[in-house]
Amino acid sequence: DAGITQSPRYKITETGRQVTLMCHQTWSHSYMFWYRQDLGHGLRLIYYSAAADITDKGEVPDGYVVSRSKTENFPLTLESATRSQTSVYFCASRWDRRLNTEAFFGQGTRLTVV
Amino acid sequence: GQQLNQSPQSMFIQEGEDVSMNCTSSSIFNTWLWYKQDPGEGPVLLIALYKAGELTSNGRLTAQFGITRKDSFLNISASIPSDVGIYFCAGQETSGSRLTFGEGTQLTVNP
Repeated sequence: DAGITQSPRYKITETGRQVTLMCHQTWSHSYMFWYRQDLGHGLRLIYYSAAADITDKGEVPDGYVVSRSKTENFPLTLESATRSQTSVYFCASRWDRRLNTEAFFGQGTRLTVV
Repeated sequence: GQQLNQSPQSMFIQEGEDVSMNCTSSSIFNTWLWYKQDPGEGPVLLIALYKAGELTSNGRLTAQFGITRKDSFLNISASIPSDVGIYFCAGQETSGSRLTFGEGTQLTVNP
């Protein structure tokens, strides 16, 4: 199906483990984003990518790593998960940087670090 | 970094009532967006605003881009139970692709 999909939808991991959240979009959008959503903070940008092999930090990048070897995929890796990284993670994509282009969001991944 | 103050944080209303929420920014934005998030889903775009002073409607929803470019509001008329959810404002700066989001307004509609 066309669109933007995240996997897994739910994940429980232990402190210190590495975990990767996947994001795949079928529109060939240039821009992709990772946000985390926490109560009282809204959506905060972790990392974003303007194109394959181009990534940049957002507002809260510490503890996260991203890569973008292919336009359609933008995985987010927690190298050593901490409890403070328990959150709902959203991936989004956008055609380009112009003001009048909409960002589409995936359904989210609920991550719990125990 | 930029801050978006969204208010109110939550609203409890009766079906049929009108709703108003707003966002203010410490910086100037060239785009204001309003999203709705249903439980367990990602945000979905409701209205996009690209010009200062612009007033745009989408069904029962109306949003305005403030003249100062530092604020925006969203009105929902004649609310219905399916309006329940979290509403987010988001702004984009003059340059760059990053969106800054407000903290959200949790709307509850009692039948």
